[in-house]
Formats: sequence, structure tokens, C-alpha cells
Amino acid sequence: QKEVEQNSGPLSVPEGAIASLNCTYSDRGSQSFFWYRQYSGKSPELIMSIYSNGDKEDGRFTAQLNKASQYVSLLIRDSQPSDSATYLCAVNGNTGGFKTIFGAGTRLFVKA
Amino acid sequence: GAVVSQHPSWVICKSGTSVKIECRSLDFQATTMFWYRQFPKQSLMLMATSNEGSKATYEQGVEKDKFLINHASLTLSTLTVTSAHPEDSSFYICSAAPDRNTEAFFGQGTRLTVV
Repeated sequence: QKEVEQNSGPLSVPEGAIASLNCTYSDRGSQSFFWYRQYSGKSPELIMSIYSNGDKEDGRFTAQLNKASQYVSLLIRDSQPSDSATYLCAVNGNTGGFKTIFGAGTRLFVKA
Repeated sequence: GAVVSQHPSWVICKSGTSVKIECRSLDFQATTMFWYRQFPKQSLMLMATSNEGSKATYEQGVEKDKFLINHASLTLSTLTVTSAHPEDSSFYICSAAPDRNTEAFFGQGTRLTVV
């Protein structure tokens, strides 16, 4: 089992729709969870961080965390073509020392 | 937000030569930095964890003698790709976090092409 799993996509949504991205992780002791956006040929940039169960909203983005299910998601409301990118779920592992493990990423296409 | 600077942003080298990539945290101290490699259309793969003042921790399958990591200060880690070959051509990215519970900040990445 991979440490952080995401559906690779591509996920295609029309402009203005809600995009839903999902991620599961294997280290039950993980405490810190992040969503990054990566455009082709660029480094990842942080979109959201979440540390406790529940929802966290920031503008058009909502991160959801359920530690019991080892599940974290990202919702993008009113999707725009500029949101088209690869979204990476990342988890700060707690076992084997401090390190950030990334999922394979989900490619999102927002059609105008 | 915090800034991590990576240099160079791109490099072309001949097969058999070595290339050094620098990663600096500009406004915070980082006892731990991370080095990733990303091949086209693939995910970020953690290569190693760089620890200030001690040896790096390499992920399984990463050759420690080929990818030399030095973390000489709290703001600088270097990755040296020794005896580079075309298959080492990739996008190398470093990251650092002020502590284990905060997000990691990424350098701009270095695109290495070995010819």
C-alpha cells in the first residue's frame, strides 16, 4: 500500500462547477496534511493546510479531514480554467522521522 | 510565506560530469530539508532527507554514493549528482519546513539535462 494515495485522474469539470479531489494515507499517526497545486514544469505551491478533523475553508477552497478514515479531500468551488493543474496531497509522516510524503497527484482540467 | 531558494534553475551537463544544486532557506532555519525528483508526468519522489550536521537519510532505491547530500548549515543543503548520465535527467526540487508540523516550502526546482 502506498503511503499517500490519490486518483491520478484526469478529472474534468466544466467551468463554474465544483471539483472534488480525494486522498487517503496509511500512517495513522500523521498530524499535518496539505494540498499543493503544481503547474507543468513548476514547483508545487501550497493551497491549503489542515491539522484537525473537519472542514477548513479558504476562498474557493475547502479542505476536509477525517483522521478516523485516514482521508483528506479538497473541494474547489466555482472552478476556473486557471485551476487546471495537478493537485498533490501531502502528509507529514510521524513514523521513521519527519518527512513529507506526496501522493501521485490528480490532474484537473477545467473546461471553459 | 517563507522562501526557499534553489539554484541553478536549469543546467545542462555532459555525461560523466558532476552537478551541484543548492537549496537555501532565506528567512527561517531548517534543520531538515528534503530532496525530490520528478520525471515528466510523474509524481514527486522523495529521494532523501537532509539533516543539518549529520548524514542524510536516503529513500530505498536511491544511491547515496551517486546523490551526495551535504547540509552544512541551518539554511543550506546541497545535492551533488555525481557522474551524471542521461537517465539522471529530471526535475530536482528541494523543500524545507521550519518544523515538523508546518507546511513545506519549495524551491523553484532545477531541471537537469545530461547529454
